[in-house]
Amino acid sequence: NAGVTQTPKFQVLKTGQSMTLQCAQDMNHNSMYWYRQDPGMGLRLIYYSASEGTTDKGEVPNGYNVSRLNKREFSLRLESAAPSQTSVYFCASGRVGSNYGYTFGSGTRLTVV
Amino acid sequence: GNSVTQMEGPVTLSEEAFLTINCTYTATGYPSLFWYVQYPGEGLQLLLKATKADDKGSNKGFEATYRKETTSFHLEKGSVQVSDSAVYFCALSLTAGGTSYGKLTFGQGTILTVHP
Repeated sequence: NAGVTQTPKFQVLKTGQSMTLQCAQDMNHNSMYWYRQDPGMGLRLIYYSASEGTTDKGEVPNGYNVSRLNKREFSLRLESAAPSQTSVYFCASGRVGSNYGYTFGSGTRLTVV
Repeated sequence: GNSVTQMEGPVTLSEEAFLTINCTYTATGYPSLFWYVQYPGEGLQLLLKATKADDKGSNKGFEATYRKETTSFHLEKGSVQVSDSAVYFCALSLTAGGTSYGKLTFGQGTILTVHP
C-alpha cells in the first residue's frame, strides 16, 4: 500500500548510544518531516526537508541530525541518545503547498534508559 | 509566532452525544487549517481541512468552519460513536517566503473517549 513507512517501530537505547530512524515514502512527495510526540505537547517539528537536497531545522532540532538521501527517504539520527529523547517519532510527507495535509507514518516508539 | 490552542481534555461522552472540540489559532498571515485524528497505536490521519475564511471542512460526520473573525476552527459532530474514540489534533499551515513548505503547527491534542 502506498504511504509512509517507518522503521523500527520500537527501540530501547542506553544513554549515549546512537541510532538512525528510517523513513521512506512512495507518493512522490517533495516535502518530508520529522516530528516528536510527547504527552500534553502535541507534535513538535524536529527537522524538515522541502525538497531533495535540502534540510532545515524545526522547533526542536538539538540532539538530532537528518539526511535526505533521495526523494523517497529521509532519516533521523540520534548521535548520543539522552533520556529526554524518549518519545514517539513520526515521519510525514506532503506536497509543497500549504493547502495539502500530510501523510504520516505509524511512528517509532523510542525509550532511552 | 504561529500557535494552535485546543481545549483541554480529556473529553468523555456517551454514544450519540454531541461533540465540540474547541480550537483557536494565532498566525501571521492566512493559514490553512486542519483536523487530524490519531487512533490508538497509529499515526495521524487527516480528518478534514479548510483553506480560507468561511470554508467548512467535513468528513465522516465531523465538521469544522474556518472563522477568521474569531480565529477559530472548532470540531463538531452531531452523534459520536464508540469508534470515534481517539486523539484529535488541530493544526495550521502557512506559506513561507513565497515557497509553500507546508509546515504544520499542531495543538496539544484532545483525547476523546466515547462510552456505549
